[in-house]
Amino acid sequence: DTAVSQTPKYLVTQMGNDKSIKCEQNLGHDTMYWYKQDSKKFLKIMFSYNNKELIINETVPNRFSPKSPDKAHLNLHINSLELGDSAVYFCASSTRNSGKLSSSYNEQFFGPGTRLTVL
Amino acid sequence: AQSVTQLDSQVPVFEEAPVELRCNYSSSVSVYLFWYVQYPNQGLQLLLKYLSGSTLVKGINGFEAEFNKSQTSFHLRKPSVHISDTAEYFCAHITGGGNKLTFGTGTQLKVEL
Repeated sequence: DTAVSQTPKYLVTQMGNDKSIKCEQNLGHDTMYWYKQDSKKFLKIMFSYNNKELIINETVPNRFSPKSPDKAHLNLHINSLELGDSAVYFCASSTRNSGKLSSSYNEQFFGPGTRLTVL
Repeated sequence: AQSVTQLDSQVPVFEEAPVELRCNYSSSVSVYLFWYVQYPNQGLQLLLKYLSGSTLVKGINGFEAEFNKSQTSFHLRKPSVHISDTAEYFCAHITGGGNKLTFGTGTQLKVEL
């Protein structure tokens, strides 16, 4: 199946631990994203990589570190997990847009999400 | 300040009734506007988008939205909803050269029998 996949789907861990979430896309896209959705369903972008280069880096604690080994993968590593990190994390991918969207737009495709629970 | 505002956090509606989910945007944001749907325990799916041209935009699953510049609105409508439309709906706009999606706070549509 062509899609954006994330592993694991659920992650339960203790405060202070370090964990990683993996994302892979086989859509041939060159840009990947991480979003965080909190308990109130508020959805916010965290990072974006284009061809392994960081292009969007929102105000996120430096305990969060994205890693892109190649353009089909974007992993999220979180150090020293805190209670407030509990959320659903979504990966997405697209072909990079160049700014003039009125003529064409490359849609972002989302993965199924990883529900992280920090105890 | 929120750049896209969804005025209703929850909208209950009976099956086969019409529905409108409201979204207003700040005049300072790009007028590239989107509606996404999130079914329970799933990722987001693009319903429709407005980039330019006709202000009435048709999307998937019978949804449509109208871009209204004078009212700075981009409300989502469906003339007759189905139980399967129960989901969270997000209005969004895009910046960052077309790669940074900024979402509203979401509206939960609950369709009842």
